[in-house]
Amino acid sequence: AQSVTQLGSHVSVSEGALVLLRCNYSSSVPPYLFWYVQYPNQGLQLLLKYTSAATLVKGINGFEAEFKKSETSFHLTKPSAHMSDAAEYFCAVKGQGGSEKLVFGKGTKLTVNP
Amino acid sequence: NAGVTQTPKFQVLKTGQSMTLQCAQDMNHEYMSWYRQDPGMGLRLIHYSVGAGITDQGEVPNGYNVSRSTTEDFPLRLLSAAPSQTSVYFCASSTYRDTEAFFGQGTRLTVV
Repeated sequence: AQSVTQLGSHVSVSEGALVLLRCNYSSSVPPYLFWYVQYPNQGLQLLLKYTSAATLVKGINGFEAEFKKSETSFHLTKPSAHMSDAAEYFCAVKGQGGSEKLVFGKGTKLTVNP
Repeated sequence: NAGVTQTPKFQVLKTGQSMTLQCAQDMNHEYMSWYRQDPGMGLRLIHYSVGAGITDQGEVPNGYNVSRSTTEDFPLRLLSAAPSQTSVYFCASSTYRDTEAFFGQGTRLTVV
């Protein structure tokens, strides 16, 4: 069974600062990994996904994440935060095989201060 | 393409009432699922379906029923609403072999 742990339910950064949102996963099979973003009163939008190709994955809005098997991590980063990045971010894992369920972490709310 | 469409967007129910949350997708996706989102809990899987006529339980299925008579539609039924079912509900779909799930805009349900 898969599980996801997101460290830090709230993260606050200044505009222009580095964004680092942490995600560790547990999976009994090689995983697919995802980061989704949710803006207030919206649905979830895919930021990026890891599907066993390149370990450094680039997504939309300047975000990227690195899959580290040895650390079972998939941390999300952005070099320079923008006010528009304020949102809630969810890490999710799915086992390869097509029938595995998508399991979410509890989310990290990002605040960007001017 | 409309993607994943959920109706209604908002609903207030009285305890004990029943209702159906609608979900439709126009992407011919085999896999559909329902999640509930509660503060600090992330998204928890209620029920899912891997194709028409096939459904299964997720992490928090109690108090909910689903059916999948067509590829496009996956309604979620609350049999007898309880205040603990106050939540935001999201429907999602994906191709069976694909990895990315597409989400609807959500239904905000309040049970009083």
